Amino acid sequence: AQSVTQLGSHVSVSEGALVLLRCNYSSSVPPYLFWYVQYPNQGLQLLLKYTSAATLVKGINGFEAEFKKSETSFHLTKPSAHMSDAAEYFCAVTAFTGGGNKLTFGTGTQLKVEL
Amino acid sequence: GAVVSQHPSWVICKSGTSVKIECRSLDFQATTMFWYRQFPKQSLMLMATSNEGSKATYEQGVEKDKFLINHASLTLSTLTVTSAHPEDSSFYICSARDHPRTGEGYGYTFGSGTRLTVV
Repeated sequence: AQSVTQLGSHVSVSEGALVLLRCNYSSSVPPYLFWYVQYPNQGLQLLLKYTSAATLVKGINGFEAEFKKSETSFHLTKPSAHMSDAAEYFCAVTAFTGGGNKLTFGTGTQLKVEL
Repeated sequence: GAVVSQHPSWVICKSGTSVKIECRSLDFQATTMFWYRQFPKQSLMLMATSNEGSKATYEQGVEKDKFLINHASLTLSTLTVTSAHPEDSSFYICSARDHPRTGEGYGYTFGSGTRLTVV
């Protein structure tokens, strides 16, 4: 079974500051890890995805995440926050094996960007 | 890229009526689709996994007679909330899984969600 834990349900940063959203995973098999963003009353948009090809994954809108097996982490970062980054962010995990390949989501982190 | 269309985006219905939500993969075939429910300020809760041509697999605690899922084609899955009650009011989101790519696994594309309000 897989699970993810997102530390910090709310994160607030100033515009232009570094964004760091934390995600730790638990998986008995090599995981596939995802970061999604959700704006109010909308579905989820994929930011980036780790599939074991490279530990540093670059995504859309300037976001990136680094897979660290030793720390079982997959934290999301962005060097400079923009007002439009304010949204809910979800980390998710699955395994490329049987069992339907369901995505398991974290509880989400609400990012607030202040002037 | 992959696009999933979900309709309606919002619906208000009277208690006791049924509501159908459609989820379509527009540019790819999805043998598997997922239905989620999301409460305000919370994460997504998987309700069921929908497989084309077979019965859906429901998560523990989800009433299959309440939430009917049909996946009759490779591009369409529907969720019908039967005899809806106010406690069924929620945000429902579908996701379609595309075919795995070598070294990349599956991709999961989400619909834009449906806000259901039962009055």
